[in-house]
Amino acid sequence: SQQGEEDPQALSIQEGENATMNCSYKTSINNLQWYRQNSGRGLVHLILIRSNEREKHSGRLRVTLDTSKKSSSLLITASRAADTASYFCATTGSWGKLQFGAGTQVVVTP
Amino acid sequence: DVKVTQSSRYLVKRTGEKVFLECVQDMDHENMFWYRQDPGLGLRLIYFSYDVKMKEKGDIPEGYSVSREKKERFSLILESASTNQTSMYLCASSSPPRSSYNEQFFGPGTRLTVL
Repeated sequence: SQQGEEDPQALSIQEGENATMNCSYKTSINNLQWYRQNSGRGLVHLILIRSNEREKHSGRLRVTLDTSKKSSSLLITASRAADTASYFCATTGSWGKLQFGAGTQVVVTP
Repeated sequence: DVKVTQSSRYLVKRTGEKVFLECVQDMDHENMFWYRQDPGLGLRLIYFSYDVKMKEKGDIPEGYSVSREKKERFSLILESASTNQTSMYLCASSSPPRSSYNEQFFGPGTRLTVL
């Protein structure tokens, strides 16, 4: 079963614009992670935000977490063509298991 | 540089064949995971292992088995491949969940086609 669900399913933007995607989840969490997947490749970890944190930054990435609404958002600022990828949120369960959403496919055109 | 490797990037098998997918990690991680990824469904956990010779079912274990004889290696076995097992298979590893940071490291994936 999917714990996280991303919105939108697909996003198309121009280089230099910001990209925002959202993730909603169903049960209480210890932390929430975001991953990126380039076409046909494995996933790469981007950022982890703990349940007691509200916002976190890493380079051009900004993640927010609202535990009262059970939602998170990922913002990519000043997007580049190389940001074209699918982005997944994942919540952590027992034994470090991750529950992934279906992902947001982002296309950044030059 | 940390690494998770998978034995094949692309694999084509016939219905009924026994299929082995191998995954090796060099990070001395206790936890290892097998996922399958299908369009619109995200990643779904098939099996995971938190120690050598230990295994636990994930969300969709039917039709699969696993083997973890050594810490660094986690194998996924399709006893009798079927066409509905055509998918991308991803292996991952992580440090124990009692650490506060349990990022998973993924291999490049194996795209399996069952004819």
